[in-house]
Parts: sequence; structure tokens; C-alpha cells
Amino acid sequence: EDKVVQSPLSLVVHEGDTVTLNCSYEVTNFRSLLWYKQEKKAPTFLFMLTSSGIEKKSGRLSSILDKKELFSILNITATQTGDSAVYLCAFIIQGAQKLVFGQGTRLTINP
Amino acid sequence: GAGVSQSPRYKVAKRGQDVALRCDPISGHVSLFWYQQALGQGPEFLTYFQNEAQLDKSGLPSDRFFAERPEGSVSTLKIQRTQQEDSAVYLCASSLGGTGYQTFFGQGTRLTVV
Repeated sequence: EDKVVQSPLSLVVHEGDTVTLNCSYEVTNFRSLLWYKQEKKAPTFLFMLTSSGIEKKSGRLSSILDKKELFSILNITATQTGDSAVYLCAFIIQGAQKLVFGQGTRLTINP
Repeated sequence: GAGVSQSPRYKVAKRGQDVALRCDPISGHVSLFWYQQALGQGPEFLTYFQNEAQLDKSGLPSDRFFAERPEGSVSTLKIQRTQQEDSAVYLCASSLGGTGYQTFFGQGTRLTVV
């Protein structure tokens, strides 16, 4: 059965710290891995990763995929209180039109 | 519209009641998805439409759940004879052409069955 596991489930840091969120997966017919930020209800798109070893970057956020070891990480540098949210990773499998989500990591940034 | 719109935002139903949740996708988006998110969990896929055709309903948990998109735009998720385990946030999402395109989510409907 396809599955995705995120760690840690919860993380509390101080403003300005750097955090690394992990997402590991066991998926047959893997196509892409996505990261979403969920602040209240609507998940908002961050990155889509398809190729191994290529870093995607947007401001203070970056992400990379390792298809050999079957994991992805999301890095946030110089964290701000506005980064507090649940971060979800999800994958798409070939031939399927759905996202399969992990449980999420709840990140809290304290001032 | 500017984004995916869902209504109502909150719904409290008595056990056994039928409910209908509405989703208005982004104009021109061919694909529409419904997800169920229980407290503390990630969203779980329920069903997928391409225009008016329901191409995948493998995630619907029981025959009490029914979704439709009759004109290929607005969609309704109906839950009959609600039970307490149906309490969750129901998220609707749309994209231009399937998961290969960026998927936009609505704010969700929080359903509480009492």
C-alpha cells in the first residue's frame, strides 16, 4: 500500500531559527511529490518535485527530492511567525488523478 | 471566480440528517476534487471529476456519500444519514487539467455531526 510519512509531527522553534521538515514515502509508480502549507483550512501550494537532486527554491523556502532514498525535505531559513502552519507533503502516482497526503507537520514559530 | 469557493463554511447536523456541501471551482478549471480531512490528519481523497464526468470515486467511504457535477462547473457533495465519524473538514479543489497542473483548494466546510 502506498504511504507517506512526515516527521516530526510537531515542531516549536524561535523566530530566526532554521527548520527542516521531512517526508518519506513508499510509492509504486511515483510521479511527483508536492509540498503544501495549511494555515487555517485551505492548503496552499509551495513546490512540486519530480526530478531527483534538483532543489526548488522560493525566498526562504527550499525543497529537494531524493528518489533513490525515497524522501524529500523542506527547509525554511530565518523563520518568521507567519511561517506557523501545518506543512503537508503529498505524492501523485502515475495514471491517477489524486493527491495522497501525509499527516502533516505542525510548525509553530515563537517570537 | 478568484478562487475555489465552498459553502457553507460550517455545518452542524444531527446524526441521521442529510447534508449537501457546495463547491464553486475556479472558472475554466476542468478538474475538480473532493477531500476529507479529519482533525490532525492530512486530507484524504474522496472523488474526482473531469468536467461533468466522475472518473474516480474510489475514496468515497460508503454509499451514503454521493457527489455530482452536472454541468461541469459547480459540484455538490451529499452525505445521507450522517454519522459522527463523518465529522471532518471537506475540502474541494480544482485544477486546469488534473494533478499535473497546480491544484487550488477552497477554504473547506467544517461538518460537525452531533
